Amino acid sequence: GESVGLHLPTLSVQEGDNSIINCAYSNSASDYFIWYKQESGKGPQFIIDIRSNMDKRQGQRVTVLLNKTVKHLSLQIAATQPGDSAVYFCAEKETGFQKLVFGTGTRLLVSP
Amino acid sequence: DTGVSQDPRHKITKRGQNVTFRCDPISEHNRLYWYRQTLGQGPEFLTYFQNEAQLEKSRLLSDRFSAERPKGSFSTLEIQRTEQGDSAMYLCASSYRAGARTDTQYFGPGTRLTVL
Repeated sequence: GESVGLHLPTLSVQEGDNSIINCAYSNSASDYFIWYKQESGKGPQFIIDIRSNMDKRQGQRVTVLLNKTVKHLSLQIAATQPGDSAVYFCAEKETGFQKLVFGTGTRLLVSP
Repeated sequence: DTGVSQDPRHKITKRGQNVTFRCDPISEHNRLYWYRQTLGQGPEFLTYFQNEAQLEKSRLLSDRFSAERPKGSFSTLEIQRTEQGDSAMYLCASSYRAGARTDTQYFGPGTRLTVL
């Protein structure tokens, strides 16, 4: 299939490690943030979201942290598996609008 | 499959031709979005519908692009007089607006357009 993100920042981890993917945003009017996983040749797949009135949210094996003071978002994946290998995008939404604004993306490579 | 579907999955066309893509949202989702993604980049917003009303449009959506959602269900995106710079993945997403909560956008597999 086609390659998504030819020159993206890359995070390489071993299977079983915990992964942390970071994202900086610039719009202080953003009130909603979301992480997507995108595998080659596929559309973005929803992972987890968080609203600006929260600073942490947990899902199954994933945690999103939001630091509004420094405009920073992170995605933590516990016990990373080879199936987690993909490009991960953060996106933000400004109050009053529906469009998502996506970040650059980070490629996660998980070695067995 | 109850997810967002898009047709065709791949389209190759010659410069100057018109192309039309279709998106079928998740059943009962009242919001539908179009994005464009080029290699190495994140998706870029093009336009958004709530039911049949087109409520937001990006300045990326030039006059050669038009989107419709006539009955508030499926949507079409047409590109007239295609240019090589239109080559990209065109993604559709849908969501369900329930009260004041922000709704999650779920994406389809995309239509890969190649303009020769």
